[in-house]
Amino acid sequence: DAKTTQPNSMESNEEEPVHLPCNHSTISGTDYIHWYRQLPSQGPEYVIHGLTSNVNNRMASLAIAEDRKSSTLILHRATLRDAAVYYCILRPTGNQFYFGTGTSLTVIP
Amino acid sequence: GAGVSQSPSNKVTEKGKDVELRCDPISGHTALYWYRQSLGQGLEFLIYFQGNSAPDKSGLPSDRFSAERTGGSVSTLTIQRTQQEDSAVYLCASRSPGLGSNEQFFGPGTRLTVL
Repeated sequence: DAKTTQPNSMESNEEEPVHLPCNHSTISGTDYIHWYRQLPSQGPEYVIHGLTSNVNNRMASLAIAEDRKSSTLILHRATLRDAAVYYCILRPTGNQFYFGTGTSLTVIP
Repeated sequence: GAGVSQSPSNKVTEKGKDVELRCDPISGHTALYWYRQSLGQGLEFLIYFQGNSAPDKSGLPSDRFSAERTGGSVSTLTIQRTQQEDSAVYLCASRSPGLGSNEQFFGPGTRLTVL
């Protein structure tokens, strides 16, 4: 199983950018990189995904290293509503999404 | 439209009893996943259904766990002879068909407590 490694927790000040790192050194060429987040007492929600190129959407940006062994989720301006656990997940071309323990993001007002 | 719904939202049972957890996916979503999340942990994959194909049961932790999906829609996860270590939040997710579909939509989960 392709695994990911993330810091257990991070803090950010409100209105500032946040860079959430993820290492996935055993990634294979066909694994997509997904990010989900889980707000307190809720199910996870999709944030963004990519394969090789950097990606942007209304929620965040995803920067993927050239060797694909790491990626960074970028929240451009953190708000209190962004406080959540962020999961970096590898999805092989198959069924399973491998969730790790994620990074718990605290946003400081 | 409606999202993924799960019932019950909370279930308290005694050790040794059987429980059934229900998931109603988003209409038209052919892929359905079950996950388990123990307190303070990440999500653990349990089982995956895709259309009429045989389900991927590789994540089920023991033969006490089973799941079915009737008519390609509603799914039921059954845990027989529950144990205290089965206590967790059980999450269901569905995904629309198509190779380009990557987003899973999660339900609110069922919190199972085994006394």
